[in-house]
Amino acid sequence: GAVVSQHPSRVICKSGTSVKIECRSLDFQATTMFWYRQFPKKSLMLMATSNEGSKATYEQGVEKDKFLINHASLTLSTLTVTSAHPEDSSFYICSGAWGREQYFGPGTRLTVT
Amino acid sequence: DAKTTQPPSMDCAEGRAANLPCNHSTISGNEYVYWYRQIHSQGPQYIIHGLKNNETNEMASLIITEDRKSSTLILPHATLRDTAVYYCIVRVGMGGSQGNLIFGKGTKLSVKP
Repeated sequence: GAVVSQHPSRVICKSGTSVKIECRSLDFQATTMFWYRQFPKKSLMLMATSNEGSKATYEQGVEKDKFLINHASLTLSTLTVTSAHPEDSSFYICSGAWGREQYFGPGTRLTVT
Repeated sequence: DAKTTQPPSMDCAEGRAANLPCNHSTISGNEYVYWYRQIHSQGPQYIIHGLKNNETNEMASLIITEDRKSSTLILPHATLRDTAVYYCIVRVGMGGSQGNLIFGKGTKLSVKP
């Protein structure tokens, strides 16, 4: 299957700072990428859908000014958590759409102290 | 997208077949059945999908009932590495970008030696 990478795999940041997470499709071009987050012992929740070259579409309850998404190319999407708070600590997962499937990255564990 | 119902947990002996059921009684004619799994602290992994015919690949088999109201994912010879949460998802669309995946709670499969 197709491969999606995320960087970093783990990050610890202080409250009030911003952190950027990169999502790359390594062997396919993803016109659409999705960002999910997953709290402990919970299922994945979609945060936003991004199409290359256009603004992301955010799910209800997700603040677009806090979670900045940039999908500048067919192989790269970034999620920036701005002014992070401890409640933003979570497992962030991206996926790229290709054909009828979505391929997921390995996830980024964010801890805000 | 139609809702799915899965048992919260199942056990399976190593080397035996694991049969994971999924009910999707409100599935529409153009909705596909997808299966993903998530091993602890990793991103979801695509397993298989189907519309109405049974499907088989190197990972698993998917059996869909004739009325399409339920399906079963079969792992023919479960190993300890198959321990994961398995998600059954129904989704409209031919292309990966046509609609995100909505994750329920899934079935936690524990493969025991």
